[in-house]
Amino acid sequence: QSVLTQPPSASGTPGQRVTISCSGSSSNIGINTVNWYQQLPGTAPKLLIYSNNQRPSGVPDRFSGSKSGTSASLAISGLQSEDEADYYYCAAWDDSLNGWVFGGGTKLTVL
Amino acid sequence: QVQLVQSGAEVKKPGSSVKVSCKASGGTFTSYAISWVRQAPGQGLEWMGRIIVMFATTNYAQKFQGRVTITADESTSTAHMELSSLTSEDTAVYYCATDGPNIAAADNWFDPWGQGTLVTVSS
Repeated sequence: QSVLTQPPSASGTPGQRVTISCSGSSSNIGINTVNWYQQLPGTAPKLLIYSNNQRPSGVPDRFSGSKSGTSASLAISGLQSEDEADYYYCAAWDDSLNGWVFGGGTKLTVL
Repeated sequence: QVQLVQSGAEVKKPGSSVKVSCKASGGTFTSYAISWVRQAPGQGLEWMGRIIVMFATTNYAQKFQGRVTITADESTSTAHMELSSLTSEDTAVYYCATDGPNIAAADNWFDPWGQGTLVTVSS
């Protein structure tokens, strides 16, 4: 049972915009920043979004992040077939647990 | 540009311990913290603990308290994660990651990550 809640799956057609939600609480997302990681099959996770809405260099601008209250979202616009089979994880520091917490991960399917 | 290279795969017996290393290059090792995250087969990411290299201070996830030890050797720019009393449920890929850019974690992120080390626990 993950501390942050994500839908297990998300899907869209090529070119469509897809959003993935991440729900937390007042001890994590409510007071700290949210990061998103992308994991391709068989590889280490890669930083996709940091500090709620910042993209590292090299990450396409079709990936965007937002946060409101105790929830955050990752949006992927212009969905591409290469985005399929990726897992996306949200993460935040939890002040009550004094540790990092992750969402359970969302698998993206391109229809 | 910091790079993290981890030690190779391990096969361990139940009840034993494993020590995974994570060597940093291309940056100032003492400038940040190192976190350890594991991923069991077909499962999500699970944070285990972190070390602030400059102060050698650690904090661990409650689940692993008493069973995990994270250390850092400044002379070799290498962090280590040792997990004891292994069971089959500890079979997983273990990742290290740079936990920065601040000492306090609340506004940090993990970048980069090591390539992962598969630990298999089997009799």
